[in-house]
Amino acid sequence: DAGVIQSPRHEVTEMGQEVTLRCKPISGHNSLFWYRQTMMRGLELLIYFNNNVPIDDSGMPEDRFSAKMPNASFSTLKIQPSEPRDSAVYFCASSSTGGATEAFFGQGTRLTVV
Amino acid sequence: AQSVTQPDIHITVSEGASLELRCNYSYGATPYLFWYVQSPGQGLQLLLKYFSGDTLVQGIKGFEAEFKRSQSSFNLRKPSVHWSDAAEYFCAVGPSAGKLIFGQGTTLQVKP
Repeated sequence: DAGVIQSPRHEVTEMGQEVTLRCKPISGHNSLFWYRQTMMRGLELLIYFNNNVPIDDSGMPEDRFSAKMPNASFSTLKIQPSEPRDSAVYFCASSSTGGATEAFFGQGTRLTVV
Repeated sequence: AQSVTQPDIHITVSEGASLELRCNYSYGATPYLFWYVQSPGQGLQLLLKYFSGDTLVQGIKGFEAEFKRSQSSFNLRKPSVHWSDAAEYFCAVGPSAGKLIFGQGTTLQVKP
């Protein structure tokens, strides 16, 4: 398996623009997580899905952030409109539920909002 | 409140020396415990995990960690550090594999 695949790896956008980050989880995994990493706040869980259903979005910072998982093999994190303080590395991770498992992380998307 | 504390932001050790990275947590029950490593520009790689059972767990790359319930700690150790171990290390806790609370990380520098 190729692991968790995120795209793009780098994104530079202007303030006010819409940004869409993409994630393909590992095949067979039924849980998907979006994290944000910043110098100030470290790694924070934004939202997670079980079986394509959002379970907990309490970490989503504002209504400008939204996430979807239309099927088991694809998820998006959208920021609209983007702001400079959204600049961060966004990670997607997936895992299978039940038993002693682990989460596998993608390489991340480095977002810069100018 | 649930939290993870990694007291050492930055640690420098000589190659071949032993290493211990500290991790303390605050959690309502005994959580799942993890150590991840992140190299610059890369994602997070799992080093080891503790769910239950033997409190000394072995991981990849020669790392081990010991869960001490009485101290709410899960310290990471390696007997002999290699230059390739230079990276950032994160301790994490949570009720499941992916719903995690991370510490702020410890950056390890290895001197030749």
